[in-house]
Amino acid sequence: DAKTTQPNSMESNEEEPVHLPCNHSTISGTDYIHWYRQLPSQGPEYVIHGLTSNVNNRMASLAIAEDRKSSTLILHRATLRDAAVYYCILRRSQGNLIFGKGTKLSVKP
Amino acid sequence: GAVVSQHPSRVICKSGTSVKIECRSLDFQATTMFWYRQFPKQSLMLMATSNEGSKATYEQGVEKDKFLINHASLTLSTLTVTSAHPEDSSFYICSAQRGDEKLFFGSGTQLSVL
Repeated sequence: DAKTTQPNSMESNEEEPVHLPCNHSTISGTDYIHWYRQLPSQGPEYVIHGLTSNVNNRMASLAIAEDRKSSTLILHRATLRDAAVYYCILRRSQGNLIFGKGTKLSVKP
Repeated sequence: GAVVSQHPSRVICKSGTSVKIECRSLDFQATTMFWYRQFPKQSLMLMATSNEGSKATYEQGVEKDKFLINHASLTLSTLTVTSAHPEDSSFYICSAQRGDEKLFFGSGTQLSVL
């Protein structure tokens, strides 16, 4: 499975935008880019996913580089409830979801 | 959004006993479910892929006779930890595949083996 690289941790101020980067230089043409997040003692929660084009939903936006070797998850206005570990994962269609270490996001009031 | 129910949320058992964990997709049918294990301050580790009506596929290093998986219906998969020992203490999480590309996760089961 193609691997992803994310910073171990990031900090943000409440109500400011957050850009969470992810590098995936070995991505293949059939890999979807998925983002999940996990709060302590809970199961992961789906955030967003995309293949080639940028994606928006009510939680976040996903910006995918033209060569698809990197992507950025954008939280438009961080809240305290957004503090979590964010996982960027490459996944073949309907295939396994292999988690890396993720980025721990802290949000300061 | 879709809901995946996992039960129990917490279980404490004696060494040598077996524990069953249930994972249900409440509002969609899931032909595929996945089971993960997570140790404190670590990421999720995929244990096995559970397909409805067929045998589960286990990841390398996961003992299939110790972690029994049954996916008898499109809405239910169970994981049984047989003859549990303290080293099996962990946070177990299931996820269910919906028809689109999204996976939905249960809230997890914290297993403590004394």
